Amino acid sequence: DSGVTQTPKHLITATGQRVTLRCSPRSGDLSVYWYQQSLDQGLQFLIQYYNGEERAKGNILERFSAQQFPDLHSELNLSSLELGDSALYFCASSARGGPSTFGSGTRLTVV
Amino acid sequence: GDSVTQMEGPVTLSEEAFLTINCTYTATGYPSLFWYVQYPGEGLQLLLKATKADDKGSNKGFEATYRKETTSFHLEKGSVQVSDSAVYFCALSSQIAPGNTGKLIFGQGTTLQVKP
Repeated sequence: DSGVTQTPKHLITATGQRVTLRCSPRSGDLSVYWYQQSLDQGLQFLIQYYNGEERAKGNILERFSAQQFPDLHSELNLSSLELGDSALYFCASSARGGPSTFGSGTRLTVV
Repeated sequence: GDSVTQMEGPVTLSEEAFLTINCTYTATGYPSLFWYVQYPGEGLQLLLKATKADDKGSNKGFEATYRKETTSFHLEKGSVQVSDSAVYFCALSSQIAPGNTGKLIFGQGTTLQVKP
């Protein structure tokens, strides 16, 4: 157990729908990162939050959004889903200046 | 922008063979460098890291040396085991503001298969 908890582990939904992925960081970590892993794009950084505020943005689509709550858990919202959004979504957390610890991921399948 | 390039896989080796997975990077300044490993059906685990030139990261028999002159961070292991079969990712984290947020830029991953 890495200490980073992601739920759900698997999600199957239809095109056009909206889903929410949840991440609880390791105790004490203020930074949360979201990554997408797909066969064609590899591992891509989506967005980072630090202590509730957006810190960095990567290749995140406008249909996607995220937030970090006061208890430091984070949610990634994916809307108007397309087949191409099917992927593994990873959350990672880190303490300031430290390496990232990854959760086990949420596998999203859009049908 | 910053980028990481890994050798293409899959790499297939016999048990006890020597392993090298090449990784080169392009970055402004002096990034931190990492190797992560992903076992089937699992998330990424940090294998080793190096934060400055000539640093050697090591863990579980794996080693990698931060070579600034060749912008490389090749992963090596002297004797692989079947249990080392996994996907290995090289990654960097920029240390130059405003990029020094800790976000990781990954290579495409190299699949290692070790046969008994």
